[in-house]
Amino acid sequence: DSGVTQTPKHLITATGQRVTLRCSPRSGDLSVYWYQQSLDQGLQFLIQYYNGEERAKGNILERFSAQQFPDLHSELNLSSLELGDSALYFCASSVGAGGSAGEQFFGPGTRLTVL
Amino acid sequence: QKEVEQDPGPLSVPEGAIVSLNCTYSNSAFQYFMWYRQYSRKGPELLMYTYSSGNKEDGRFTAQVDKSSKYISLFIRDSQPSDSATYLCAMSAPGGGADGLTFGKGTHLIIQP
Repeated sequence: DSGVTQTPKHLITATGQRVTLRCSPRSGDLSVYWYQQSLDQGLQFLIQYYNGEERAKGNILERFSAQQFPDLHSELNLSSLELGDSALYFCASSVGAGGSAGEQFFGPGTRLTVL
Repeated sequence: QKEVEQDPGPLSVPEGAIVSLNCTYSNSAFQYFMWYRQYSRKGPELLMYTYSSGNKEDGRFTAQVDKSSKYISLFIRDSQPSDSATYLCAMSAPGGGADGLTFGKGTHLIIQP
C-alpha cells in the first residue's frame, strides 16, 4: 500500500459525459500528479499540482482539468468524453517539487470505460 | 524517436536466473531515474530511485545508470515467480518545472517456476 488513495476504482460512462476522479496523496506529500495509461500510449504524464497550485502540464487535453484543494486532495475532471479516453488514470504524490520532488508513489488507479 | 525506449518483451526466464532489464533515453536533461513494477491492472510500485551514474543496490535489485551512454538497467538476482510483472523505467528532469515522469512502455517479465 503506497498510501495514495483513489476513488472510484471503476467508472463506466457514455460518450459526451463528464466524470470526476479523486485522489488523496500520502500524508505529508505536497505534490500530486495525474497520469493516463492506455495500451497504445503507455503511461503518460498529464498534470502536476504543488501545494494547491498548478506546477506543470504534460499531455493533457483541453477537455481535461484538475485542481488541488486546501486539504491537498486533488480531482481530475474529464469532460465531453470520447471512446479514446477509456484508460487507467493514476494519481501519484511526492514530498516536494523541482529538485526536491523526491520519489513519486502511485495510487491504485481508476479504470474509466467510455461506451 | 521516442524519448525513452524499452523492449516490451515478453522476457521469459527460469526461476533463480538473473534478469537484466534495460532502457535507453535521448534527453540529456533527465537527471532522476526510477524503476517501477506493475502487476496487471494495479498501480506502479516504486522499486528503485537513483540520481547519479553508477550502481545502487537494494536486496535482490540493482539499478545501474550510465548517463554518458544514456542507458539504465535493472538487475534482479535469484528471480522468483512473484517477480513476474511489467517493469517500467521512468525518468525526470526536475528544476525546469518538469517534474512529471517520462516512462518507457514497460517490459513484461515472466519467471517460470
